[in-house]
Amino acid sequence: DTAVSQTPKYLVTQMGNDKSIKCEQNLGHDTMYWYKQDSKKFLKIMFSYNNKELIINETVPNRFSPKSPDKAHLNLHINSLELGDSAVYFCASSLGTGLSGANVLTFGAGSRLTVL
Amino acid sequence: QKEVEQNSGPLSVPEGAIASLNCTYSDRGSQSFFWYRQYSGKSPELIMFIYSNGDKEDGRFTAQLNKASQYVSLLIRDSQPSDSATYLCAVKGRYSSASKIIFGSGTRLSIRP
Repeated sequence: DTAVSQTPKYLVTQMGNDKSIKCEQNLGHDTMYWYKQDSKKFLKIMFSYNNKELIINETVPNRFSPKSPDKAHLNLHINSLELGDSAVYFCASSLGTGLSGANVLTFGAGSRLTVL
Repeated sequence: QKEVEQNSGPLSVPEGAIASLNCTYSDRGSQSFFWYRQYSGKSPELIMFIYSNGDKEDGRFTAQLNKASQYVSLLIRDSQPSDSATYLCAVKGRYSSASKIIFGSGTRLSIRP
């Protein structure tokens, strides 16, 4: 069983379109994240939810809207896609936010978004 | 100044030698430090984490933390070709109520046979 699963794995779309990426974890973790990895491989945090509550919201354009219907799911919707949105988006989860070991991230396989 | 800095490499090490990867961070209040490995086209996977000053060993890997110097390193003993990957240093910031885990840009390691 996959611990953190993301769909779709690949997304190719035109500028201006809207797209969503879904993420689910079956680890029983309380905290979920979205990270963006650009072409230079830099992994940048976008959002974090703890038990469905938004706790980290980095300076991300408001075209990006995360939604967490329950603590096992965290989806990412992107409106009006731009060329610069092309990247690999990783979902991750961690046990919690307190003790060191609780912050270990388990990543999904990533969703490669290409905007043409 | 970047929050977490790593030399991008590539770092080339002969098989069987020790690979030494370094990372510095800017937030003196940082609490936890992680090393992840990422193979090309794959997701990052945890190698180990450390939160106390000193060394922590796990098999061929040793993490070293020096909070006074704001420096964390990863040593890989008896390097194998399968260790060739990008190594990402990650740091949990000072905010105890939120897991803001910040990554460095990674060091590409190449083990030559």
